[in-house]
Amino acid sequence: GQNIDQPTEMTATEGAIVQINCTYQTSGFNGLFWYQQHAGEAPTFLSYNVLDGLEEKGRFSSFLSRSKGYSYLLLKELQMKDSASYLCALMDSNYQLIWGAGTKLIIKP
Amino acid sequence: IAGITQAPTSQILAAGRRMTLRCTQDMRHNAMYWYRQDLGLGLRLIHYSNTAGTTGKGEVPDGYSVSRANTDDFPLTLASAVPSQTSVYFCASSQGDSSTDTQYFGPGTRLTVL
Repeated sequence: GQNIDQPTEMTATEGAIVQINCTYQTSGFNGLFWYQQHAGEAPTFLSYNVLDGLEEKGRFSSFLSRSKGYSYLLLKELQMKDSASYLCALMDSNYQLIWGAGTKLIIKP
Repeated sequence: IAGITQAPTSQILAAGRRMTLRCTQDMRHNAMYWYRQDLGLGLRLIHYSNTAGTTGKGEVPDGYSVSRANTDDFPLTLASAVPSQTSVYFCASSQGDSSTDTQYFGPGTRLTVL
């Protein structure tokens, strides 16, 4: 079967750095996605990893280790607008997305 | 502006009633999806369509049906609504042609079944 775990909630300070972890178990793997979802809005795409290593996009970076079944999303220079839920999703062997429950990130001034 | 639209934005429905949630995209994407999102749970796939004329069942298809008569539209029908179908429903679409397939989401429909 497949399983995705990520923390339910995290709190960080404006201007700081935060790392949101995602661990998974799957029999088939075709990549891992991170999405951002503000309250009451639709999820929006942030990043995609299929090979081990770090992908950097401005203030956001995403890391993948396939052997460890582990990914993280790193957010730097946090801004109040980064307060949102961050969803980890893996693409399975059928090219369908399996979603984690999401991590609610609260940014404090 | 290109994208995905959903209608209605929200709806309160009596149990036992039939309801169709509409989804339209203008990006000429091949694949479309319906998800439900419930508090504390991840997005769960209800039905999907890899291309016009084909549909498939997702993780939680019971009580729902879909059709894909053309590329742009992918309506979701609840034949006889039950309170457990109270949820936020998201439609999404993607090119559907590679493993790096990014899904783009509509704004969602908040459905309450009483």
